[in-house]
Amino acid sequence: EAQVTQNPRYLITVTGKKLTVTCSQNMNHEYMSWYRQDPGLGLRQIYYSMNVEVTDKGDVPEGYKVSRKEKRNFPLILESPSPNQTSLYFCASSSQATNEKLFFGSGTQLSVL
Amino acid sequence: GEDVEQSLFLSVREGDSSVINCTYTDSSSTYLYWYKQEPGAGLQLLTYIFSNMDMKQDQRLTVLLNKKDKHLSLRIADTQTGDSAIYFCAENGSGGYQKVTFGTGTKLQVIP
Repeated sequence: EAQVTQNPRYLITVTGKKLTVTCSQNMNHEYMSWYRQDPGLGLRQIYYSMNVEVTDKGDVPEGYKVSRKEKRNFPLILESPSPNQTSLYFCASSSQATNEKLFFGSGTQLSVL
Repeated sequence: GEDVEQSLFLSVREGDSSVINCTYTDSSSTYLYWYKQEPGAGLQLLTYIFSNMDMKQDQRLTVLLNKKDKHLSLRIADTQTGDSAIYFCAENGSGGYQKVTFGTGTKLQVIP
């Protein structure tokens, strides 16, 4: 089944403790992206990647890092999480062959205390 | 930068039509999209329209695009309780599909 898999679904952590949210897709998509969803603000793009070893900042990249060492994986790294990074995070992927459609993961609800 | 705006909430009775509206600012969009988010899930593409089209119909869904006013709407005919969800308008602007900008989302509540 074609899908985007994020882990974990829920995560509670404390300020300053490094964490990684994983994202994997099995559709051989070259494009992957991370969004955060906050009430009243919709989805805002954090980082995106056009292909392996190619990443770029989205609209709200501060406090986040990403890497794209393999085509299928695009982890989101919070080196020193802060409470304002409490949010619902979504990974998405797409392909130029289906460039009208983003495929989304189920989301990761992160709480930073 | 690009901006996409939607009202936050809409309530309709089951069987009625729902109309969700969206305005955007980037006139260079190639595609405009409607995504649906059910509780506890990610977004799923419902439908999309090319910017050179005025209307697109897909079963119970009708998308209307007024490019002059930069206004997009989604009409759901015969709304069902299963249509209760958050609906996001989005556009790809001048950045291509990798720079899709989403609206704030409209929460549709369907009353039985």
